[in-house]
Amino acid sequence: EPEVTQTPSHQVTQMGQEVILRCVPISNHLYFYWYRQILGQKVEFLVSFYNNEISEKSEIFDDQFSVERPDGSNFTLKIRSTKLEDSAMYFCASSVGGGNIQYFGAGTRLSVL
Amino acid sequence: QQQVKQSPQSLIVQKGGISIINCAYENTAFDYFPWYQQFPGKGPALLIAIRPDVSEKKEGRFTISFNKSAKQFSLHIMDSQPGDSATYFCAAQRRSGNTPLVFGKGTRLSVIA
Repeated sequence: EPEVTQTPSHQVTQMGQEVILRCVPISNHLYFYWYRQILGQKVEFLVSFYNNEISEKSEIFDDQFSVERPDGSNFTLKIRSTKLEDSAMYFCASSVGGGNIQYFGAGTRLSVL
Repeated sequence: QQQVKQSPQSLIVQKGGISIINCAYENTAFDYFPWYQQFPGKGPALLIAIRPDVSEKKEGRFTISFNKSAKQFSLHIMDSQPGDSATYFCAAQRRSGNTPLVFGKGTRLSVIA
């Protein structure tokens, strides 16, 4: 069964460093999303992406964040200068269409020290 | 208005019992209500979903009850099993366009033998 793949599974970084979280969405999907989940809290929307541009973003997705689809398969989330409060599980999701089921990857746990 | 309120925060049920998790929303533009199941270390996975034009949807041991006038929906797990122990998130979405999921805070279900 096709699945969304995320790497790495765990990323440890120092505060102020840049990190790139990588995702390979399901191959025929056209819509891509990043969500995050701070430990013990709900899953929160960060950004959605379609046709090589951001469709919607939340107030969490400030200038420190950016997304990119550098090639035909990868979808990345970059945090330019990490803060302690960026520590969370980051989930990538994809869907065939904008209103279709979103399939989630297993997540990347980001630990900012 | 974008919030989805979920209760209880945690739930302990005997094996064979019925687990009930409740959610409420305010935004009447939501037209799709999925439930996601999340096991530790994994991403959320779609369990069952309902549209507001029906009052109930059943898939195996899982049933969603939907009350449009009250803006509430609930998940019932019949004959609960230890393997159902997980965190359950309700969510809501406007399916038109590339819209994000709005998640509840989650319910940690423990089914004990």
